This record gives sequence, structure tokens and C-alpha cells, in this order.
Amino acid sequence: AQTVTQSQPEMSVQEAETVTLSCTYDTSESDYYLFWYKQPPSRQMILVIRQEAYKQQNATENRFSVNFQKAAKSFSLKISDSQLGDAAMYFCAYRSATGGFKTIFGAGTRLFVKA
Amino acid sequence: SQTIHQWPATLVQPVGSPLSLECTVEGTSNPNLYWYRQAAGRGLQLLFYSVGIGQISSEVPQNLSASRPQDRQFILSSKKLLLSDSGFYLCAWSVRRADLYGYTFGSGTRLTIV
Repeated sequence: AQTVTQSQPEMSVQEAETVTLSCTYDTSESDYYLFWYKQPPSRQMILVIRQEAYKQQNATENRFSVNFQKAAKSFSLKISDSQLGDAAMYFCAYRSATGGFKTIFGAGTRLFVKA
Repeated sequence: SQTIHQWPATLVQPVGSPLSLECTVEGTSNPNLYWYRQAAGRGLQLLFYSVGIGQISSEVPQNLSASRPQDRQFILSSKKLLLSDSGFYLCAWSVRRADLYGYTFGSGTRLTIV
């Protein structure tokens, strides 16, 4: 069974600086999708970025980018020019491209942004 | 545009009481619908998903059930709540046949069993 591990329960970053959140996953599949979701204190979870496993190019969405290392099964999220509004819980998630409807989430990393 | 509504936002229920949480989606048709539970300090646990009216798949055996009486309505129920049912419940939807693009989540229900 697939698993998703986020080894950093909490991280903090100074405003305007860069922070990287780690995520590793375990799977025997070759075709899958990876996601980062953000859950701010208001609780509504939103999709931040998505990566297709068969694409070597790392996904980028404005200040958010990923470092996808397929062989290492690593999928880290980099937030550049951190803003106070980036403070949230961040979840890494895995979705098989072929195996059913289940998206597997990691335990999350709480990010604090210091002014 | 598509929106997802989930209610109530908070709920305090005594042990043994029934439960009904509702989720509706607007602006789309034939969505995939999901119920997740988030326990403190943990990730999201998939409880149920549905790919159509009356079609419910359960991921975790427990005293909860789900129903989909209409295309864009998803209901989470229980006949008798347990203390262990406390948690944060999230409804989510995704586009049918494009589920791989990720989910849109509702704002969640904080359920406390006393």
C-alpha cells in the first residue's frame, strides 16, 4: 500500500525568506500524481500545486514550486518570498493514476511565518 | 463557478445521539464526492466516496454511513455516535474523469462528542 510521510511536524520561516517542506512517499507504481494542499487557520483546504509523475519538469505556481525526485520518491515544496498569509498546515498527497479513487494524505506540516 | 457548501460548521453532540452532516456542490454535474476525517495531528482519512447517485464506497468500517440522494448532495450519517467520532470532517468533490486534477474541499465541520 502507498504511504506518504511528512517528517517535519512544524516549520517556521521569516517573512520574505524561502522555506522547503519535505515529503516522501512509498509506491510500487510508476504512474501517479502528487499534490500539495494548504489548510489555513480558516480551515478550508485548497490545492496549491500538482505534479504528474511522468513529467520530469518540476511544477511551479507563482511563489510555490516543487522538487520532484521520482527515483528517491521525494516531493518537496518550496515557498519563496514567504508571506504572513502562507502560515498554514500543508499536506502532501498521493493519487494513483490507475488504482481507484483514493488520495492518500500525509500527516501535515504546520508552517509558521514570522514578521 | 463551482462552489461546495458544508454544514454545520461546528456541532457538539452527546454520545449515542444521531448525526447528519450535509454537503452540496453547485456549478457542476456528476462530481465525484468524498468524506474525509481529520484527527488532531494526523492527516486526512478517507471515509466514503461516491461516483454517482446511490453509489457509495466505504473505506473504513465504522458506525458511520454515507448517502447520495441527489447528484450534488452527499450526506454523512450515524445512528449512534461514539466518543471516537470526534474530529474535523471535510467534504470534497472532484471532476468526474478528471479526478487526477485534485480536490476542492468544503470548509469542514468540527464535531465534538461529549
